[in-house]
Amino acid sequence: GAVVSQHPSWVICKSGTSVKIECRSLDFQATTMFWYRQFPKQSLMLMATSNEGSKATYEQGVEKDKFLINHASLTLSTLTVTSAHPEDSSFYICSARGTGYTATNEKLFFGSGTQLSVL
Amino acid sequence: GQNIDQPTEMTATEGAIVQINCTYQTSGFNGLFWYQQHAGEAPTFLSYNVLDGLEEKGRFSSFLSRSKGYSYLLLKELQMKDSASYLCAVSARPGGGNKLTFGTGTQLKVEL
Repeated sequence: GAVVSQHPSWVICKSGTSVKIECRSLDFQATTMFWYRQFPKQSLMLMATSNEGSKATYEQGVEKDKFLINHASLTLSTLTVTSAHPEDSSFYICSARGTGYTATNEKLFFGSGTQLSVL
Repeated sequence: GQNIDQPTEMTATEGAIVQINCTYQTSGFNGLFWYQQHAGEAPTFLSYNVLDGLEEKGRFSSFLSRSKGYSYLLLKELQMKDSASYLCAVSARPGGGNKLTFGTGTQLKVEL
């Protein structure tokens, strides 16, 4: 099946710094990528939808200037958490939907997730 | 928006059968997924239903009733490794764009 690589797996940073998370589709072209955030014992909350070559669409309540998303190619999307604070500590997961998958089977392929801890 | 409900926790015995229910309310329904997630890991795909009825895949089966906004995941011959969170997710296209929304997840604990 399709593989989505997410890097890094975990990161610890100081408050005020920026952190970049990469999500790559390894064997398919990802026209759309999704970024989710998950707090402990809670479900995945969609943050934004990223389409290659266009601006990301953010969910209500998600600050687009704080969570910068770049989907510059069909295989790479990045999420940058700018000026991170302890409340941004969470598990961030990307998922991708690629070309070749019909509208009747919208199976997403998930990255392995990034655990962000802001001190 | 979408409203997805599933029980928070369930406990079952090894070798038994367990059914995890999910109810949803949405417009532009385009399918329902079940994912398994172990702590600290990404979700893994279990099943997909877009038409009414039962889909069977080994020890796992998933059922959908679109008119009732209802689905369940059935796990047979439970094993200890099945202890995980099970996420119900609804795909919908409100306003034209497909979006996958997750329920809060059901934490299943399998005991001896």
